[in-house]
Amino acid sequence: GAGVSQTPSNKVTEKGKYVELRCDPISGHTALYWYRQSLGQGPEFLIYFQGTGAADDSGLPNDRFFAVRPEGSVSTLKIQRTERGDSAVYLCASSSRGATRNEQFFGPGTRLTVL
Amino acid sequence: AQKVTQAQTEISVVEKEDVTLDCVYETRDTTYYLFWYKQPPSGELVFLIRRNSFDEQNEISGRYSWNFQKSTSSFNFTITASQVVDSAVYFCALSEYSGGGADGLTFGKGTHLIIQP
Repeated sequence: GAGVSQTPSNKVTEKGKYVELRCDPISGHTALYWYRQSLGQGPEFLIYFQGTGAADDSGLPNDRFFAVRPEGSVSTLKIQRTERGDSAVYLCASSSRGATRNEQFFGPGTRLTVL
Repeated sequence: AQKVTQAQTEISVVEKEDVTLDCVYETRDTTYYLFWYKQPPSGELVFLIRRNSFDEQNEISGRYSWNFQKSTSSFNFTITASQVVDSAVYFCALSEYSGGGADGLTFGKGTHLIIQP
């Protein structure tokens, strides 16, 4: 596709449930990032992949959050035992090289609501 | 630890006025990168500019200009002759250079810019 795509665009779930959020980066981009944006805040870094491996997962808030990128393209962010505080817009971005050298292209986000 | 502060939560101006959005950053690294992103009501972040810490030249792109001053750790953004379409939330962001590649961006809280017709 032409840009970063994320599915679903909206996800409503109940507290305690498991959710998966998908990111499809721009073709050929080796770097992939996940961010979380709460209402009225700037995006908060969660995890960064270079290829298939997580190069930096220091932003993941706790062990309920996990992300994978098994083939170096599509990535899935997984949240176990969701809590109301997990409600936010989850943004994915990709870059052709490191973010410090090239701009990150952001997807439209997945709005997660935990009831 | 790195930090980005955008002290202006919301700015409202009348169309055609000039407006400056402030950004102050903190970092212990000597090599870092600064960014501005625009988030229109549709929600998708749009890249505007990237600056590295060794390049303090001001930059102009059409009605947009950026003033980078290391002495005050500031990277301010000015829109000249503002237009209604400029209405959006603007984020300043920082990335430290880890040496091994890239780091995630640290964003400020954003400035909500309202351009009134």
